Amino acid sequence: GAVVSQHPSWVICKSGTSVKIECRSLDFQATTMFWYRQFPKQSLMLMATSNEGSKATYEQGVEKDKFLINHASLTLSTLTVTSAHPEDSSFYICSATGPSGKYFGPGTRLTVT
Amino acid sequence: AQTVTQSQPEMSVQEAETVTLSCTYDTSESDYYLFWYKQPPSRQMILVIRQEAYKQQNATENRFSVNFQKAAKSFSLKISDSQLGDAAMYFCAYRTHSGTYKYIFGTGTRLKVLA
Repeated sequence: GAVVSQHPSWVICKSGTSVKIECRSLDFQATTMFWYRQFPKQSLMLMATSNEGSKATYEQGVEKDKFLINHASLTLSTLTVTSAHPEDSSFYICSATGPSGKYFGPGTRLTVT
Repeated sequence: AQTVTQSQPEMSVQEAETVTLSCTYDTSESDYYLFWYKQPPSRQMILVIRQEAYKQQNATENRFSVNFQKAAKSFSLKISDSQLGDAAMYFCAYRTHSGTYKYIFGTGTRLKVLA
């Protein structure tokens, strides 16, 4: 079946630094990928829709300058959290639209100290 | 705008028993998809079952079945013969029939399975 991977699975960074999270579709091409954020014991909140070769579409309230999304190829989308703050600590999940629907990555836990 | 509501933050079921998780949604569209996802402690989202709104027949996947009431905008999940491995967070999700494939998730129900 279709697989979506994320790297890293867990990252710790210092406040003020930037961190990049990768989302890859391993065995299919994904023209559209999605980035979600999930706080502990809460639901998945869509942050943005990533489109290959074009700018991402951000949901209302999501700072596009803080959460930079690049969908440079049909198998890779990246989320860069710039100037990270402790409140950015969360679980970030990507998903991709594949041959038989939507496939989720395993998530990345970001801790900002 | 569409909304998805799960009114049960937590549910418990005895092993081998049956449990029903509730989900209601609001939309003005006539055609759409509904899903139930399972999120175990690993946090990997796993598709449990999906329902297309234009299909009147309720979807079934082994021990999992749904009760889809389109007029009432209700989409409940029934888990039969509950197993310890069913313990997880369960999210109900809505997706429009066409367009960007954006999903709207409910707040989730934590299911505990008691041995």
